[in-house]
Amino acid sequence: GIQVEQSPPDLILQEGANSTLRCNFSDSVNNLQWFHQNPWGQLINLFYIPSGTKQNGRLSATTVATERYSLLYISSSQTTDSGVYFCAVGGGADGLTFGKGTHLIIQP
Amino acid sequence: NAGVTQTPKFQVLKTGQSMTLQCAQDMNHEYMSWYRQDPGMGLRLIHYSVGAGITDQGEVPNGYNVSRSTTEDFPLRLLSAAPSQTSVYFCASSYSSTLEQYFGPGTRLTVT
Repeated sequence: GIQVEQSPPDLILQEGANSTLRCNFSDSVNNLQWFHQNPWGQLINLFYIPSGTKQNGRLSATTVATERYSLLYISSSQTTDSGVYFCAVGGGADGLTFGKGTHLIIQP
Repeated sequence: NAGVTQTPKFQVLKTGQSMTLQCAQDMNHEYMSWYRQDPGMGLRLIHYSVGAGITDQGEVPNGYNVSRSTTEDFPLRLLSAAPSQTSVYFCASSYSSTLEQYFGPGTRLTVT
């Protein structure tokens, strides 16, 4: 099956800092999503981005499908950005394969 | 739209008991799926369905049963609960497997 690697596994930043999270995957995909799992365990959809670039406020994402990676950018971090960020990819009917996540802590 | 709803939010079972986790969506999505999340891990696919009457196994199907009699509902049955099934269970839905998946709030299950 598809392998998904996320880096870094852990990240501690001060409020206001910028960060880049990376997702590498081992095969071509036709579905790629970024999620934020908040401290209450909810999975929040951030981006559906199998290719190209999208922006939503302080967050943006880029997927280079031909090179099998995706990047999530968070600018001007806030404490509410803390949590785990998951990249998940899919190639067919059998759902999404998740990476192990990046655990982000934003300190005030 | 309520989106994807799951019940119960929390459940404690004894080893050997059976139960059904409920999942419903009101978005007329054909594709529905169940995942489990263990501590420090991403989610892993248990079962999925591409439409009413059609189900298939995912990565970790053992010990779980599903059926899809309507478009809206996709229940997950634990036949004989084991401590290894202690996990958080998420249901998801979408128009298709290649489009954006929407997740429910999860059910936290503990098996003692």
